[in-house]
Amino acid sequence: EDKVVQSPLSLVVHEGDTVTLNCSYEVTNFRSLLWYKQEKKAPTFLFMLTSSGIEKKSGRLSSILDKKELFSILNITATQTGDSAVYLCAVASHMDSNYQLIWGAGTKLIIKP
Amino acid sequence: DGGITQSPKYLFRKEGQNVTLSCEQNLNHDAMYWYRQDPGQGLRLIYYSQIVNDFQKGDIAEGYSVSREKKESFPLTVTSAQKNPTAFYLCASRTGLAVYNEQFFGPGTRLTVL
Repeated sequence: EDKVVQSPLSLVVHEGDTVTLNCSYEVTNFRSLLWYKQEKKAPTFLFMLTSSGIEKKSGRLSSILDKKELFSILNITATQTGDSAVYLCAVASHMDSNYQLIWGAGTKLIIKP
Repeated sequence: DGGITQSPKYLFRKEGQNVTLSCEQNLNHDAMYWYRQDPGQGLRLIYYSQIVNDFQKGDIAEGYSVSREKKESFPLTVTSAQKNPTAFYLCASRTGLAVYNEQFFGPGTRLTVL
């Protein structure tokens, strides 16, 4: 059975700290891994990773994928209170015309001022 | 502005009642999805539709029904058969092209059964 596991489930740090969120997966017909940030409502898209070892970067956020070891990490440097959110990882799987996203449970990140 | 809208934002239902959650998109996306999110959990797929007049059950379809009569619209009905419907419901859409994997989400509907 396909699964996506995120760790830790929750994390509390102080403003200015650097955090690393983990996402491991066992998914057949892997196509890509996606990271989303969810504050109070809709998840917003952060990154899509398809190739191993190529870092995607957006401001203080960066992410990398390891397709051999089947995991991805999301790094946030110099954290701010606005980074407080649930971070969701999802893996896209395609077989023939059947596409689906398999979701992890999320990591709840709390940044204390 | 292109996007996905969901209504209502909050919905209260008495036990035994059916309710319909609206989802509309003007992104010209082919595929649309309904997810349920419970506290501390990830997203669970209820139903999805890849083209008009066609839809498929997801992992937790029991007690729910959908229709896809128009490309822009994918309403979800929560029936009285759904035993524990209190949850946050998210609608998403995606272009049908295989190379684009990301889904775009609406703001969600929070359903509470009284």
